[in-house]
Amino acid sequence: GESVGLHLPTLSVQEGDNSIINCAYSNSASDYFIWYKQESGKGPQFIIDIRSNMDKRQGQRVTVLLNKTVKHLSLQIAATQPGDSAVYFCAENRGTDSWGKFQFGAGTQVVVTP
Amino acid sequence: NAGVTQTPKFRVLKTGQSMTLLCAQDMNHEYMYWYRQDPGMGLRLIHYSVGEGTTAKGEVPDGYNVSRLKKQNFLLGLESAAPSQTSVYFCASSYLSSQTQYFGPGTRLLVL
Repeated sequence: GESVGLHLPTLSVQEGDNSIINCAYSNSASDYFIWYKQESGKGPQFIIDIRSNMDKRQGQRVTVLLNKTVKHLSLQIAATQPGDSAVYFCAENRGTDSWGKFQFGAGTQVVVTP
Repeated sequence: NAGVTQTPKFRVLKTGQSMTLLCAQDMNHEYMYWYRQDPGMGLRLIHYSVGEGTTAKGEVPDGYNVSRLKKQNFLLGLESAAPSQTSVYFCASSYLSSQTQYFGPGTRLLVL
């Protein structure tokens, strides 16, 4: 996942622009990935998921890309809106023996400016 | 549907005190989880349950106990709170057939 530390990396995006949030995962055996959005003072909210047999998956205004070669995951948000301001983090699941158990990244703070 | 609810929202404890955090879900989910979230770190799994009457240890179980007497409730207990347990605690639940977890709003715990 993202680097561990007290301060999260921050992505500042102008309203209407596209956002790209990156995540480096740790285990080459991981076969299922989820992106979560967490607004201040709230619990994480599921955005989109992808399995390791896919390279790309699209949702409403969001796209997740998976590059297994370099163990990299990205979340693209199209036409970023003020309501997209939040912490975004990825989670990886390490296979059938780890059903329901994920390794979570620390997250990236996205700030949308007018 | 209320989804996943947690009580209390905020609590201050003194070192050595005990407390129980309650998680309730109304989605008939089989799986339930307790996590802690610390500044600059990802969620870490404390304990989880795959069904009523069953619990298992997660990544950071020391100092915590859990019980799942009813399918809809998952309780997290701190027997003797320590300052290192100051954190935000999240409960989550999911269906047996899905790994999508639904999270509660969190409980902020401060141990002095």
